[in-house]
Amino acid sequence: ILNVEQSPQSLHVQEGDSTNFTCSFPSSNFYALHWYRWETAKSPEALFVMTLNGDEKKKGRISATLNTKEGYSYLYIKGSQPEDSATYLCAFNSDYKLSFGAGTTVTVRA
Amino acid sequence: ETGVTQSPTHLIKTRGQQVTLRCSSQSGHNTVSWYQQALGQGPQFIFQYYREEENGRGNFPPRFSGLQFPNYSSELNVNALELDDSALYLCASSFLNREETQYFGPGTRLLVL
Repeated sequence: ILNVEQSPQSLHVQEGDSTNFTCSFPSSNFYALHWYRWETAKSPEALFVMTLNGDEKKKGRISATLNTKEGYSYLYIKGSQPEDSATYLCAFNSDYKLSFGAGTTVTVRA
Repeated sequence: ETGVTQSPTHLIKTRGQQVTLRCSSQSGHNTVSWYQQALGQGPQFIFQYYREEENGRGNFPPRFSGLQFPNYSSELNVNALELDDSALYLCASSFLNREETQYFGPGTRLLVL
C-alpha cells in the first residue's frame, strides 16, 4: 500500500487570496503524479500530470510543482475565486494504478 | 465533461445481495480502472482492465470481479454485499500508459443496508 498524504485536510480562503497545499508520496518507483479537482456531484477533473523532477505546470490561476527526489508536490491557487471551491486530490502513479491521497478541501469565502 | 458515463447513479441493496455497476469509457480509450471511495478517504484502486483482460488488482477480495467488453465498456460486479461495501464507485478510462491521464466518470453511489 503506497502512502500518499495530503495536507491540510481542509482550508478556508478569502476571495482574492492565494493559497497552496501539499501532496507527499514515496520517492521510489516514481512514474507520474496526477492532480485532480473534484466538485461535489461531478466527475473528478484532471488538472495536471507531472513526470519530471522540477516540473512546473500551470492552468489559469492554478499551478503545481514537483519534487520527485524528496517526494512532494505543491498546488497553488492564485487569487482564489468561489468557483475554486472543491476537493483537490493528488494521485501517485508507480504502476498502472493510481494511489490517491484523501484530498484537500478548499472553501473560498466571498 | 470527461465522456465517461456510469450507471446507475445511485443504488440501494441489502447485505448478501449482488450488484453490477456499469461504465462506458471515453471514445478511443482501451483501459478501464475501477476505484472505491469510502467516506473521508481517497479513491482506492480495485482493478484495471486492458483489452478485456485484468491488468492489475488492488487489495480487494475475489467477490469483487469485473469484465471489459470489446467496445471497452466495463462492469464491476460485487457478490455477497457487506455493509462496508457502501461507497462511491468510480471508473476511469485511459490509454495503457503510466503517464496518461485517467478520465473519471461521476460515480455510482452504493448503499448496503
